[in-house]
Amino acid sequence: GENVEQHPSTLSVQEGDSAVIKCTYSDSASNYFPWYKQELGKRPQLIIDIRSNVGEKKDQRIAVTLNKTAKHFSLHITETQPEDSAVYFCAASPPSNTGKLIFGQGTTLQVKP
Amino acid sequence: DTGVSQDPRHKITKRGQNVTFRCDPISEHNRLYWYRQTLGQGPEFLTYFQNEAQLEKSRLLSDRFSAERPKGSFSTLEIQRTEQGDSAMYLCASTRREGTGELFFGEGSRLTVL
Repeated sequence: GENVEQHPSTLSVQEGDSAVIKCTYSDSASNYFPWYKQELGKRPQLIIDIRSNVGEKKDQRIAVTLNKTAKHFSLHITETQPEDSAVYFCAASPPSNTGKLIFGQGTTLQVKP
Repeated sequence: DTGVSQDPRHKITKRGQNVTFRCDPISEHNRLYWYRQTLGQGPEFLTYFQNEAQLEKSRLLSDRFSAERPKGSFSTLEIQRTEQGDSAMYLCASTRREGTGELFFGEGSRLTVL
């Protein structure tokens, strides 16, 4: 089945710097790749997603890139702010009609003021 | 709040006891998922319902785990004869759209087995 690997597990940046989190997936037929943000004690919430027919998507300070050939996708956060501090999870949706997601292990991002 | 709600939010139990968690999805969401999340890990898929039908179960879901969604609305996840390894956050998610798309998560039910 699908397997998603995420790196790094922790990331510390200075406020205003950029942060990049990378994920690889195993099933080349996976077609949907969302990113979730989970603040301490809160529910995971979708921040951006990309489908396999698109190479890049941007939403204000957040962007996601997808390389289908290499089977990896990345989250880019520019001009980081302290409120960006959280755990970020990437996920991939295997080619079934269930809509289930397979998640990476998570990246704890700390933005230092 | 019209989001996904879960109850109880916290449950402490002794090993060997049974526990039941409830999930109320967003109204009209026909797809419902249960995930388990342990400290420092991403959510792990447990099971999936479309309406009242349980269509997929992970190998993680041992015989001690059972999930139901009797009327296609709320769902329950029961763990029998709990073990310390069952300690985790149990997350419920729902969605309406067909195919792939955003899952809306609840706040989770945290289980501690002593």
